[in-house]
Order: sequence, then C-alpha cells, then structure tokens
Amino acid sequence: QVTLRESGPALVKPTQTLTLTCTFSGFSLSTSGMCVSWIRQPPGKALEWLALIDWDDDKYYSTSLKTRLTISKDTSKNQVVLTMTNMDPVDTATYYCARIVHSSGFDPWGQGTLVTVSS
Amino acid sequence: SYELTQPPSVSVSPGQTARITCSGDALPKQYAYWYQQKPGQAPVLVIYKDSERPSGIPERFSGSSSGTTVTLTISGVQAEDEADYYCQSADSSGTYRVFGTGTKVTVL
Repeated sequence: QVTLRESGPALVKPTQTLTLTCTFSGFSLSTSGMCVSWIRQPPGKALEWLALIDWDDDKYYSTSLKTRLTISKDTSKNQVVLTMTNMDPVDTATYYCARIVHSSGFDPWGQGTLVTVSS
Repeated sequence: SYELTQPPSVSVSPGQTARITCSGDALPKQYAYWYQQKPGQAPVLVIYKDSERPSGIPERFSGSSSGTTVTLTISGVQAEDEADYYCQSADSSGTYRVFGTGTKVTVL
C-alpha cells in the first residue's frame, strides 16, 4: 500500500522560510519512473503545481515560484523535502505531496497540511 | 504561463450525464488527467492518460480527447459524485505540470 504524509509547521511568519517534509511508504524513489511532487491549494481556490523530483534526482519547478522553491530527496529515509523562501500571507494554503509513476498521474496524494502565513 | 480552462460549475440531476470540459493549447501533445476532490479531502485520480480509469473508479467515469479540449463524462450521476473536479496536464515540453481552474459539480 502506497501512502504519503506531509509534515511541517502550521504557522509561519512573513519573510520566513517554510520547510515541508513528505514521508512516504510502499515505493522507492530510486526506482526508475518514480517521482514525487508538491501541490498546494489556497482556501477555496484551485490546485497549483509547485515542484517535482524524479528517481534520477532531476528537479522541476513552477515557473512563477522557481526562485523561491527547492526540492530534495533522501532516498534512505523515504522523504522528499520542499523549502519555500520569503513566505507571504498569499502563500497560505494546504500543501500536498503526491506520487507519479511514469505517465500515471498524481496518485495517491497525502492528506495535506495547512500552512498559515501570519505575523 | 500555460493555462487549462474549465467551466466554473456544472449542475446535473441524478441519473443524468455530466460533461466537464478542459481546454488548453498543448492538450493535443500531452496527456490529460482528472481528479475528484470532495470537501476537506485530498484529490483522487479518476482518469489518467486522457481516458484510462484507475482500478476502483466506477465505470460511469470516462474521459475523451479531441484537439485542444478534453472531456470528463460522468454517466448516471449519483449524489456521491458531487465534488470539485480538476483536469491536469503539462506544457508542450512536458516539463511543467499544470492544473485546470476547477469545476464544481452540483447534483440537483
């Protein structure tokens, strides 16, 4: 059974750096074709793709946020970490991680973690 | 940046057919995916590679593609299908993923 779980702070202050961890089980990110991605969703708004890392350690970022994002993986710990710098109240959202296998789509997703940016 | 456009809302009576469209310039070149999201829950994949259905997804969910538009069809809509639906694809290079604007399906 494949599961993913996001963890990180529920509250960050403006200008701070957010660090989120996706801990997964049921697959290995060293297997060819495996990827993990981060997606966010502001309250009442649409999903927004943020970043993706693949089995070969290639990394891809949203063009609008790439200067603020860093994605990395620790294969031995089955974890993917996303950092986002210079947080702003508009970054308040539920942040999800999800697995992608080849061209199979984001499946499954973690339960999501709500991050609020406020002073 | 690349965008996928969906209608904001679709209303349908139980037992009828709901069709949700998603338009984007790169859709002839890139696969489309569809996700169902119920309030307070994470999205769930219901269609992948334009028209494939994951195991466990009811047969009433189907997908199709024509040019720059892809369509999610829910046949014989049930009350439990009331949710937000998002299409997802990639830009023409296949590098950057993108989600559609989302469609709220209301079962009357």
